[in-house]
Amino acid sequence: AQSVAQPEDQVNVAEGNPLTVKCTYSVSGNPYLFWYVQYPNRGLQFLLKYITGDNLVKGSYGFEAEFNKSQTSFHLKKPSALVSDSALYFCAVTGTYKYIFGTGTRLKVLA
Amino acid sequence: DAGVIQSPRHEVTEMGQEVTLRCKPISGHNSLFWYRQTMMRGLELLIYFNNNVPIDDSGMPEDRFSAKMPNASFSTLKIQPSEPRDSAVYFCASRTGTHYNSPLHFGNGTRLTVT
Repeated sequence: AQSVAQPEDQVNVAEGNPLTVKCTYSVSGNPYLFWYVQYPNRGLQFLLKYITGDNLVKGSYGFEAEFNKSQTSFHLKKPSALVSDSALYFCAVTGTYKYIFGTGTRLKVLA
Repeated sequence: DAGVIQSPRHEVTEMGQEVTLRCKPISGHNSLFWYRQTMMRGLELLIYFNNNVPIDDSGMPEDRFSAKMPNASFSTLKIQPSEPRDSAVYFCASRTGTHYNSPLHFGNGTRLTVT
């Protein structure tokens, strides 16, 4: 069975500092991994995905994610956080038509 | 690209009433999903359509919930009769292609409150 874990309910970071939002996964076979962001009163927006190839994936708004097969992790990163990055972030995995979403991590960037 | 369009954005109704939520997927997308989001249970997949055909409705909570997709550009999710525990944000999402690595595109949701 596929599963995704986001171990932190909330992450606080100062503006300008690097940020990391953690995600670990469990899947049989090769995973397709995604990150989405949700702003208040909006639907989830796609940020980036990993299918195969380079372990460092670049996405929208300066975000990137690092795929680590040995640690079964797919952490979201950004070198310099902005206040406008404050939102709810979801990791997701799929290997079939079903996307399994994590419980979400609330990112708060402090000015 | 207008994105996935959902209506209404907000719905307040009394227990026992029928509620119909509507979704227009992105043109050309052949897969459509209905999700429910609550604080307690997070994002739950309710039903998945491919080429207008329901493929997996195992997430539909009970017989009070039904979904249809009469054509490629329209889907409805109906709750009859509604109950307070149905209060949640309901999202529609669509996806292009048949490969599972295509990202989902979400609408902005319908916030349902059942009193």
